[in-house]
Amino acid sequence: ETGVTQTPRHLVMGMTNKKSLKCEQHLGHNAMYWYKQSAKKPLELMFVYNFKEQTENNSVPSRFSPECPNSSHLFLHLHTLQPEDSALYLCASSPNRNTEAFFGQGTRLTVV
Amino acid sequence: QQQVKQSPQSLIVQKGGISIINCAYENTAFDYFPWYQQFPGKGPALLIAIRPDVSEKKEGRFTISFNKSAKQFSLHIMDSQPGDSATYFCAASIGNFGNEKLTFGTGTRLTIIP
Repeated sequence: ETGVTQTPRHLVMGMTNKKSLKCEQHLGHNAMYWYKQSAKKPLELMFVYNFKEQTENNSVPSRFSPECPNSSHLFLHLHTLQPEDSALYLCASSPNRNTEAFFGQGTRLTVV
Repeated sequence: QQQVKQSPQSLIVQKGGISIINCAYENTAFDYFPWYQQFPGKGPALLIAIRPDVSEKKEGRFTISFNKSAKQFSLHIMDSQPGDSATYFCAASIGNFGNEKLTFGTGTRLTIIP
């Protein structure tokens, strides 16, 4: 185990639903990340938080809303998603922005 | 525009053989080239990484070969084992910008058969 825990592991939601993904790390890391992994596509960085401050938003649609209440927890709030948003969403953390990132196991999201 | 191109998409190798996965990049500012290994149901994990001041880096059965002039780098897995069956991703980054500028390839699904 990497020390980065994501819940839930699987999520099926309708296009009108609101749900949240949770990521937790107790590694003392200062940087946390959300990635999207789709089949046959490169891993896409979505958001970066460094010391609880958002430092990167890679042109992600507003239907994805991140929240970092403290350095150990990261959320991804989802609303009015589209079927093409179905993917594996990975959380990662690293001691700082320039060091190795440790990934969680991901949340497999299916939008119906 | 895909900045890191990875091939092949899938690879089947016999146990004990050599697995070779190739990546090519376009941005000459890249100066950090890691490889990640991902098992089913798990997130990617850093396997081995190289910087362009060396042409080769070896860790156990895993070797990265780097060709700066050709803007290519490859992962070699010697004496491949069934436990090596996983998806492998190459990536490239500009070191000072760290993880925020990490650009990934599309992945290679490696299967080692007995």
